[in-house]
Amino acid sequence: KQEVTQIPAALSVPEGENLVLNCSFTDSAIYNLQWFRQDPGKGLTSLLLIQSSQREQTSGRLNASLDKSSGRSTLYIAASQPGDSATYLCAVRRAGNQFYFGTGTSLTVIP
Amino acid sequence: DAGVTQSPTHLIKTRGQQVTLRCSPKSGHDTVSWYQQALGQGPQFIFQYYEEEERQRGNFPDRFSGHQFPNYSSELNVNALLLGDSALYLCASSLGTPYSNQPQHFGDGTRLSIL
Repeated sequence: KQEVTQIPAALSVPEGENLVLNCSFTDSAIYNLQWFRQDPGKGLTSLLLIQSSQREQTSGRLNASLDKSSGRSTLYIAASQPGDSATYLCAVRRAGNQFYFGTGTSLTVIP
Repeated sequence: DAGVTQSPTHLIKTRGQQVTLRCSPKSGHDTVSWYQQALGQGPQFIFQYYEEEERQRGNFPDRFSGHQFPNYSSELNVNALLLGDSALYLCASSLGTPYSNQPQHFGDGTRLSIL
């Protein structure tokens, strides 16, 4: 069974700082990995999708990398802003079309 | 372009009752997946529908069932509700077959509370 772990569980940084969120998974046989943000009481907003053949994806101030062999992905957020405060979740899609989510990292950006 | 819409937004039920949750996928999307998210946890995959058939199922009991209609909208039914069924239920849609590797788009969910 695939297990997805996100560290740290919570993170608080001052505005303007660059930060890295981590996601690890136990089974490297994945189709893709997707990063989401979730605001309190809301659904998930897709941020980046990395296919298993890719190493990284970029969108604006966000950069996600994938190292399948080591079972790791990172989400890099540049020049953090208070509006980035949310919970960030990673999800892996593996063979058999099963989806597995981590428990998330709760990010607070302090003005 | 409407995104994924779910109804109702909130629901309160008592133990033993039955509930039906509804989802309309993003325009053009034909695969629908359902997730359960308990407080402080990541979403847990319940099942996925494509072409009106259940294609994949997570580790959930038969009390959880679903349906997909010809217009791609979907329902999640839960029978004999338990206190542990209290959660945010999320619907996600994607374009193409379940194996097309397209990103999932989520609705805002239905908050189900069991008393």
